[in-house]
Amino acid sequence: LAKTTQPISMDSYEGQEVNITCSHNNIATNDYITWYQQFPSQGPRFIIQGYKTKVTNEVASLFIPADRKSSTLSLPRVSLSDTAVYYCLVGDGGTDKLIFGTGTRLQVFP
Amino acid sequence: DVKVTQSSRYLVKRTGEKVFLECVQDMDHENMFWYRQDPGLGLRLIYFSYDVKMKEKGDIPEGYSVSREKKERFSLILESASTNQTSMYLCASSRRDRVRGFDEQFFGPGTRLTVL
Repeated sequence: LAKTTQPISMDSYEGQEVNITCSHNNIATNDYITWYQQFPSQGPRFIIQGYKTKVTNEVASLFIPADRKSSTLSLPRVSLSDTAVYYCLVGDGGTDKLIFGTGTRLQVFP
Repeated sequence: DVKVTQSSRYLVKRTGEKVFLECVQDMDHENMFWYRQDPGLGLRLIYFSYDVKMKEKGDIPEGYSVSREKKERFSLILESASTNQTSMYLCASSRRDRVRGFDEQFFGPGTRLTVL
């Protein structure tokens, strides 16, 4: 059963770069890694997805090392509106189930 | 604008009642999911469905059942509600990607269920 581990919480200040790392030791060969963002009283929202190396979009970057046993979500120059819970998601060891981690609560201060 | 809607934002029921939570998506997605979210536990998958009339157990199916009679609708049923089922329930849908298995999931706003 694939399992992910993330820090429970992180604090940052506006304008800083934030890196959130997720460990997924049992990731299967064909699994993708996906990150979601969740604000209070809302459902999670897709941020970024990758398979290996680096992926970048208008919101974030995702770094995946060669062994794919971890991944790092990078948020450049965070603002107050980035305060949210961030979830790392991987496939469940080749089955069709997806496993959400417990999430990292990011608090951005002015 | 893609949309996943859930029948209620807030629901209060009594122990032993049968509870139906409805979810509808307008994106013609094959996959639909039910999660519950509790403080400190993140999102946990209850059931999911690949297609009409198909269902698969997630990590915590005990005490729940589901129904998918139409592609756009996925219902979660609590046969006899208990207080430990008080939680936030989230529905999601996604396309079926033949390579990756699952595509981006779109979530509804959630239903906060309280069982007294």
